[in-house]
Amino acid sequence: NAGVTQTPKFRILKIGQSMTLQCAQDMNHNYMYWYRQDPGMGLKLIYYSVGAGITDKGEVPNGYNVSRSTTEDFPLRLELAAPSQTSVYFCASSYSHGGAGNEQFFGPGTRLTVL
Amino acid sequence: RKEVEQDPGPFNVPEGATVAFNCTYSNSASQSFFWYRQDCRKEPKLLMSVYSSGNEDGRFTAQLNRASQYISLLIRDSKLSDSATYLCVVNNQAGTALIFGKGTTLSVSS
Repeated sequence: NAGVTQTPKFRILKIGQSMTLQCAQDMNHNYMYWYRQDPGMGLKLIYYSVGAGITDKGEVPNGYNVSRSTTEDFPLRLELAAPSQTSVYFCASSYSHGGAGNEQFFGPGTRLTVL
Repeated sequence: RKEVEQDPGPFNVPEGATVAFNCTYSNSASQSFFWYRQDCRKEPKLLMSVYSSGNEDGRFTAQLNRASQYISLLIRDSKLSDSATYLCVVNNQAGTALIFGKGTTLSVSS
């Protein structure tokens, strides 16, 4: 199993550009998450999904959009990139939300810089 | 009180030392507790879940005190490879997501 994979690993965007961060998991997990991590800060939840076709906002959703057309894939879309979106983005998945099995498995991250 | 608050660190200890990290959480209804480890410029990885009765995994011991809303992680006989940032993690009030602390950095030196 590859676990959770993310592409690209690095990206530099100009202000106003848009891009999609890709995330895929092969563990048949229903739950998937997008976080951002700024230097010296904890992970902040952007969006999450409890299954194909279902998404919901996290703590910091502004400036982002997601979709979940399949169990495996959970792409994150940035529209009109801004310098405040410079961060490391992590995708994660879990078997469940609560109780046993809600440990989250993370992808290697995408380092995004907006200039 | 912040949702999840950890010792600021950094902790600088010699090999073989015992070190303890503390964490407090604000949501008394939280049911899931974890310690994650994050190496520099890497993704977080689960270190261990924290159970009400406390649990041990080799040199690592986690304790939970629900009355005080307090979680701890004890590392015995520290190794150089233990150098990392340790994240305290608790589920949110709705039980739909995990809340991550900012982390405590440990540096073990020879």
